[in-house]
Amino acid sequence: NAGVTQTPKFRILKIGQSMTLQCTQDMNHNYMYWYRQDPGMGLKLIYYSVGAGITDKGEVPNGYNVSRSTTEDFPLRLELAAPSQTSVYFCAASEGGAVNTEAFFGQGTRLTVV
Amino acid sequence: GNSVTQMEGPVTLSEEAFLTINCTYTATGYPSLFWYVQYPGEGLQLLLKATKADDKGSNKGFEATYRKETTSFHLEKGSVQVSDSAVYFCALSLVGGTASKLTFGTGTRLQVTL
Repeated sequence: NAGVTQTPKFRILKIGQSMTLQCTQDMNHNYMYWYRQDPGMGLKLIYYSVGAGITDKGEVPNGYNVSRSTTEDFPLRLELAAPSQTSVYFCAASEGGAVNTEAFFGQGTRLTVV
Repeated sequence: GNSVTQMEGPVTLSEEAFLTINCTYTATGYPSLFWYVQYPGEGLQLLLKATKADDKGSNKGFEATYRKETTSFHLEKGSVQVSDSAVYFCALSLVGGTASKLTFGTGTRLQVTL
């Protein structure tokens, strides 16, 4: 039972490069989320999706794009990477949108922009 | 806005010691409250939750009570083990837009020694 899988686990990017962080889930959950965690800070919501074809901005969306063509996949795209995007990125999925619903997280992607 | 404040870490305890990690929150509306735990090299996973005032969440010997009057959700365990060494995140969930969203504290690292 894989749950939420993120790839890659680690990546170093040069300033101005682009990349896609992959996230896939096998739980058939409609809701998916991308968070970033900076040192000494809590997780901040970047984007979320309530189902295939529907995405919306979170708290810190600038510099990122997402798409949701299937229930399983929710990739996060970084265009023109900047040092401020150095962070650990977590993808999560939940069954519903209610406030008491548990979120299931991937292991994270540690990204360094140099 | 919504926010979560939890005690700074790291917290270092000897095995079998009593653990308290303080968490307070600010929220508009009626949030659900969560404790997530992140073991080394893994993603966040739900430890326990409470959905309304005076509810007590419990799991693996950990407990936390939803205190609306003090806006708190402190995590406690009577006797910690080395295997409890991890980072603990307090979080609240409220509906915003089309989905519920988690707001996290900064995390508290717990180190338990023999």
